[in-house]
Amino acid sequence: GAGVSQSPRYKVAKRGQDVALRCDPISGHVSLFWYQQALGQGPEFLTYFQNEAQLDKSGLPSDRFFAERPEGSVSTLKIQRTQQEDSAVYLCASSLGTGWANYGYTFGSGTRLTVV
Amino acid sequence: SQQGEEDPQALSIQEGENATMNCSYKTSINNLQWYRQNSGRGLVHLILIRSNEREKHSGRLRVTLDTSKKSSSLLITASRAADTASYFCATSSGGGADGLTFGKGTHLIIQP
Repeated sequence: GAGVSQSPRYKVAKRGQDVALRCDPISGHVSLFWYQQALGQGPEFLTYFQNEAQLDKSGLPSDRFFAERPEGSVSTLKIQRTQQEDSAVYLCASSLGTGWANYGYTFGSGTRLTVV
Repeated sequence: SQQGEEDPQALSIQEGENATMNCSYKTSINNLQWYRQNSGRGLVHLILIRSNEREKHSGRLRVTLDTSKKSSSLLITASRAADTASYFCATSSGGGADGLTFGKGTHLIIQP
């Protein structure tokens, strides 16, 4: 597609519920990133994929967070047993290249997760 | 953790005036990027400046980078109401596997 698409746009989950957030990157984009943005803050890095390989997951806050990109295109961020502190906007970004010297990211509009 | 810190945190100016936002960072970088975020939307990439560059222009945007002071500034000239948004600087330490590190952002309001 023309841009990075994320779904759902909004998600309300009861505490303890599992959620799955989807990201459709721009076709052909090799790099895919997930970010978490708390209210009033800048985005914080969660994890990075190069094609189907998850090369960096150092930003995932706990083992309740899991991300995959099995065919190197669509990615899913899964949060198990959601907690209130998981409430945030989850942003997906993709990039054509693998080196940051020459490329900027294209971000999706995000999924706003509210845990009640 | 967030590396960059923008200041001011919030800025309100009249339409037509110039807006300047500053960003400081802590570690060595490969490049620095500025993004805009409208309320409830994703981030839009504005401009990228490499560590060996000092100034870059794109339309009404001017970015400077001072690696000795670990700081950057974003100037928006002849501001418009549509420029109202949050602006974030983000740094890259290089390589393909690391993500961008964002600051907390400057919220810019352009008064018509």
